[in-house]
Amino acid sequence: EDQVTQSPEALRLQEGESSSLNCSYTVSGLRGLFWYRQDPGKGPEFLFTLYSAGEEKEKERLKATLTKKESFLHITAPKPEDSATYLCAVQARGGANSKLTFGKGITLSVRP
Amino acid sequence: DTGVSQNPRHKITKRGQNVTFRCDPISEHNRLYWYRQTLGQGPEFLTYFQNEAQLEKSRLLSDRFSAERPKGSFSTLEIQRTEQGDSAMYLCASSPAPLGYTDTQYFGPGTRLTVL
Repeated sequence: EDQVTQSPEALRLQEGESSSLNCSYTVSGLRGLFWYRQDPGKGPEFLFTLYSAGEEKEKERLKATLTKKESFLHITAPKPEDSATYLCAVQARGGANSKLTFGKGITLSVRP
Repeated sequence: DTGVSQNPRHKITKRGQNVTFRCDPISEHNRLYWYRQTLGQGPEFLTYFQNEAQLEKSRLLSDRFSAERPKGSFSTLEIQRTEQGDSAMYLCASSPAPLGYTDTQYFGPGTRLTVL
């Protein structure tokens, strides 16, 4: 069964203090790894898709990387508006398999 | 706004009542998904459609849950004889990918269900 584990559960940063969020996964053949941002009471907002080990993608202060067992979401010089829950999900290869398996998320708080 | 829309946004019901939620996907997206999310957890897959065909259902989806996507457009999720354990956020997502390809799923705002 596919599994996703995210750590830490919560992270508090000072504005400008860079850090990384971890996503460990086990999957029977990775089709894609996804990062989403979720604000309280709202649906997840798509950030990145990574397909193979070594791949990196960037968007503003965020950079996502992928290895064969983990993905990292690096946040450079965060601002208070980056405060949210960050969700990692995997999609497995094979047939009609299309569902996403999510981790529990990492709640990020950035203090001004 | 051309994103995924869901109605209602909030639903409060008494135990034993039936409820129905609606999801309108992004125009021309042929895949539509339903997930359920409880507090402190990530979304859990319930079911998905490729056009009007329901291709996969999670074992989480008991006989009290039924989903439809007539004509491959909007979808409805019905819960019969609701229980307090059904209280959760019900999320709908859509994607443009054809079968077998990696796809990006775009989520709606969700319907928050509270069962009293």
